[in-house]
Amino acid sequence: EAGVTQFPSHSVIEKGQTVTLRCDPISGHDNLYWYRRVMGKEIKFLLHFVKESKQDESGMPNNRFLAERTGGTYSTLKVQPAELEDSGVYFCASSQAGGIYEQYFGPGTRLTVT
Amino acid sequence: GIQVEQSPPDLILQEGANSTLRCNFSDSVNNLQWFHQNPWGQLINLFYIPSGTKQNGRLSATTVATERYSLLYISSSQTTDSGVYFCAVSAPYKLSFGAGTTVTVRA
Repeated sequence: EAGVTQFPSHSVIEKGQTVTLRCDPISGHDNLYWYRRVMGKEIKFLLHFVKESKQDESGMPNNRFLAERTGGTYSTLKVQPAELEDSGVYFCASSQAGGIYEQYFGPGTRLTVT
Repeated sequence: GIQVEQSPPDLILQEGANSTLRCNFSDSVNNLQWFHQNPWGQLINLFYIPSGTKQNGRLSATTVATERYSLLYISSSQTTDSGVYFCAVSAPYKLSFGAGTTVTVRA
């Protein structure tokens, strides 16, 4: 069974540019999550999808961040325009439905904004 | 949100030594997971353990949900055990992470 995959593994962009991160969850996992770790701080929750619906987006820092999940499969996280403080590692995770809460993480995308 | 505290923040071990990492959390949880972050930054699932005790090779974990803490035991440590160990909890979905324990195992 393939794990959670993320693309790209590393992205370097200039301040003001746009970047789109992609996450493919484990097949059959209804729940998809985005987290990020910035500047050596703790890993923080961004948002949670159940299938194609946003269940909880309380961790999204501001309206420069837009997440989508097309057809309940893969998800994208767009940052537009990127700021220096957006630099960090963005993790995606997925979990099954039905009361099984274990989350499996992807390898992360390291975003550097210069 | 749920507060998670991990201790100690740093741990230096000689190869072959045993150690215990602790995770305290501030509220009832449905999910508690231990992760190992490898040198490439990947979060590797170690245990899904909202309660009880589990063992996997040289690693074992115990969660006492009623007292809101979990322990991760590393026995006969190896250099490959080096890295950051994270505890994360949720009630029920979004995980709150601790700051991690950085383990360095010296040969």
